[in-house]
Parts: sequence; structure tokens; C-alpha cells
Amino acid sequence: DTAVSQTPKYLVTQMGNDKSIKCEQNLGHDTMYWYKQDSKKFLKIMFSYNNKELIINETVPNRFSPKSPDKAHLNLHINSLELGDSAVYFCASSQEFKGGERDGYTFGSGTRLTVV
Amino acid sequence: DQQVKQNSPSLSVQEGRISILNCDYTNSMFDYFLWYKKYPAEGPTFLISISSIKDKNEDGRFTVFLNKSAKHLSLHIVPSQPGDSAVYFCAAINYGQNFVFGPGTRLSVLP
Repeated sequence: DTAVSQTPKYLVTQMGNDKSIKCEQNLGHDTMYWYKQDSKKFLKIMFSYNNKELIINETVPNRFSPKSPDKAHLNLHINSLELGDSAVYFCASSQEFKGGERDGYTFGSGTRLTVV
Repeated sequence: DQQVKQNSPSLSVQEGRISILNCDYTNSMFDYFLWYKKYPAEGPTFLISISSIKDKNEDGRFTVFLNKSAKHLSLHIVPSQPGDSAVYFCAAINYGQNFVFGPGTRLSVLP
């Protein structure tokens, strides 16, 4: 039973299109994230969201928007796709433990987005 | 089924000593492995990687060892420094597929 699942696994689309990537976690975690993996394999945080607040990395273009219909889902919508958006996008979730430390990160397997 | 396992959720090491973080995997098709380091409130950062055609890769204080027959890799940090205290993720990939991450090991380097 997959803990954090992303769909689709691969996405090829044309410039200018609008697309969504879905993420679901069945761990009961209270926070979900979207990361973008760049060409140097660095994972850059895009958004973190729990039922209290959405934290947006200010470097993320406003063409990217997270949508959370409920605690177990955090979908990523991308408008007007550009060539530079091609990357692997990871969803993750975590649970806040006592003392405020966030630990127990669980990553999805990633969505490889190719914009042509 | 968890394909990448890090069985130690936490590890404490004295400053100056060696830190050894372990990772086991089940999928023999994995051909590339990476280690990421994560500080609180930050995203994971890439640390070091190794291809399945090698058994060792070294970068400064960090060395990754791969034992394909045992489906095991380890990250050695020597000497350990307090700034190394972080969560370390092991990740694996096979060509054309997506990454699989382990759950992470929290390393605490004590002064």
C-alpha cells in the first residue's frame, strides 16, 4: 500500500498548456510538500501546507499553485507551462512530533514533467 | 513494500569520530544511488551519489560504499562535525524510472 502516491508518473505536454499533478498520502500526516528537483539533483521546496497555513517559497512563479481538497491530498496546478518547468516534481508528507521537530518525511516517487 | 530502507531512525556520534549511515534496498534493478542531507525547515540537499558500476565514491569527508550483492550502501562521514547534524535520506533509481527515497536517519553530532 503506497504511502505517498503521485499521478501521473510521467507527463509530456506542450508549452502554454495547463496541467495538474495529484498527490495523496495515507499516513495521516499533517503536513504535505511539493519539491522540484533541478538538473543538479537538488530538491527545492516549492510549498508546504498543513491545515493551518500554506507556506510558499517566494521564488516559485505564481503559475504554480497548490490545491488541497482535504488533509490527505495536495495537488499541484501549473498554468501556461514553460520549457524551464521540465523537471521531476516530488510530493512529500511529514508528521510533527512533540517538541515541534518535523521528522519522518515520506516522499512520493516523483512525476517527470517534460515540456516540449 | 518499502524498496529503500534506513533501519536506524536516529544516530548519535561524538565530534571527530566517524558517522556511518546505512541504507538497504530490495530492487536489484536500481542502478544509481544518492544521499541527501536535510536541515530543519529546509528542503533536502544533494550530498553524494554512486553508480552501480562502482563500489566507492569519495568527496571530501563523505564516502559512499555500495555492496551490490548485499543490496546495501552506507555513507561514512569522517571526521564528523556538529554542522553535520541533520536528517540523511538515501535514494535509489533505475534508469528511466523515478526515485525511491528511504525514510531518513537523524544524525546528531555531539560536541
